[in-house]
Amino acid sequence: GENVEQHPSTLSVQEGDSAVIKCTYSDSASNYFPWYKQELGKRPQLIIDIRSNVGEKKDQRIAVTLNKTAKHFSLHITETQPEDSAVYFCAASKDSWGKLQFGAGTQVVVTP
Amino acid sequence: ETGVTQTPRHLVMGMTNKKSLKCEQHLGHNAMYWYKQSAKKPLELMFVYSLEERVENNSVPSRFSPECPNSSHLFLHLHTLQPEDSALYLCASSLKGGGTDTQYFGPGTRLTVL
Repeated sequence: GENVEQHPSTLSVQEGDSAVIKCTYSDSASNYFPWYKQELGKRPQLIIDIRSNVGEKKDQRIAVTLNKTAKHFSLHITETQPEDSAVYFCAASKDSWGKLQFGAGTQVVVTP
Repeated sequence: ETGVTQTPRHLVMGMTNKKSLKCEQHLGHNAMYWYKQSAKKPLELMFVYSLEERVENNSVPSRFSPECPNSSHLFLHLHTLQPEDSALYLCASSLKGGGTDTQYFGPGTRLTVL
């Protein structure tokens, strides 16, 4: 089955700096890669996703890149703000029944 | 924030108790999911239902028993749990249940097994 590795497990950045989280996946058939943000005590919420026919996608300060050959994808957050502090999860799936395979998460702390 | 609701939000139970977790979605979705979230571990998919039929059972112990009476409601019945079952249990829903559907999560039930 699919295996998703996520790094780093914790990331501390200064407000205004950029943050990058990287994930690798094992199943070359995976074609959907969402990113979820989970603030403390709250539910995971989708922040951005990318499909395998696209190499990069951007939404304001958030961008995701996908390298299918290398089987890795990354989340980039620019101009970080304190409200970006949360746990971020990457995931991968293919066209089978809702089987999202999640990474272990990255705790991002943005310090003022 | 009210698209997927879960009750109770917190539950403490003994190993011999029987309890149920409830999930309700108000999004008109056809697929619902149970996940287990433990500290420092990836979210673990437990069960998937599509149009009230179970389509995935991810090798979950039989002490967890799901029930999906209709496309809006999902239950997780618990009995004779172990302390290692303590975790946050998240329900999610998606439109069709395909692997590329966006999943919307509920707030979770924090379960403690004594």
